[in-house]
Amino acid sequence: DTGVSQDPRHKITKRGQNVTFRCDPISEHNRLYWYRQTLGQGPEFLTYFQNEAQLEKSRLLSDRFSAERPKGSFSTLEIQRTEQGDSAMYLCASSSPGRSNTIYFGEGSWLTVV
Amino acid sequence: AQTVTQSQPEMSVQEAETVTLSCTYDTSESDYYLFWYKQPPSRQMILVIRQEAYKQQNATENRFSVNFQKAAKSFSLKISDSQLGDAAMYFCGGTSYGKLTFGQGTILTVHP
Repeated sequence: DTGVSQDPRHKITKRGQNVTFRCDPISEHNRLYWYRQTLGQGPEFLTYFQNEAQLEKSRLLSDRFSAERPKGSFSTLEIQRTEQGDSAMYLCASSSPGRSNTIYFGEGSWLTVV
Repeated sequence: AQTVTQSQPEMSVQEAETVTLSCTYDTSESDYYLFWYKQPPSRQMILVIRQEAYKQQNATENRFSVNFQKAAKSFSLKISDSQLGDAAMYFCGGTSYGKLTFGQGTILTVHP
């Protein structure tokens, strides 16, 4: 069990560029979540997958954001035409089925849009 | 939980003393889970303690314990024998079987 892994850890991009983040969940965790967090705030839910199915999307997830989990393992979060307001930390988390329902987080991917 | 509220933006405690962080929540679900996470300056969210709503007994993990008042929808975290390493942002969160909803967080400062 290597924990939830996110890549890259930091990304600086120019406004208007596209960026993609990758998340590798804990093995055998069938649920994967994406959150966004800005300084001094709690994480805000973006979307989550159960296996390869995207079960819920927040209204925070505009048309410029897309997430995939093609084989039910790793996931990608793409932001197109980045804006300065997209600057935040993007957190990935995963959980396994069962009554514990504990969600484990990765270290996050920092995005700075300049 | 559909909404989670942490009313204490900041708290402080002396090393070795006890501190309690407050959290209230609202949900229409009958089966749910409540969590406290710690986020130190390194930024990784670390699970501190978990409570299943169907369990009446308050969860305890070493120096960390909760006071779960289901009727009042209250879920406070007590940290005993506070240590310098406990300094962090603490988030309360709740979930049924999907997304985890967080409160706004409480910054805990531990004074030596």
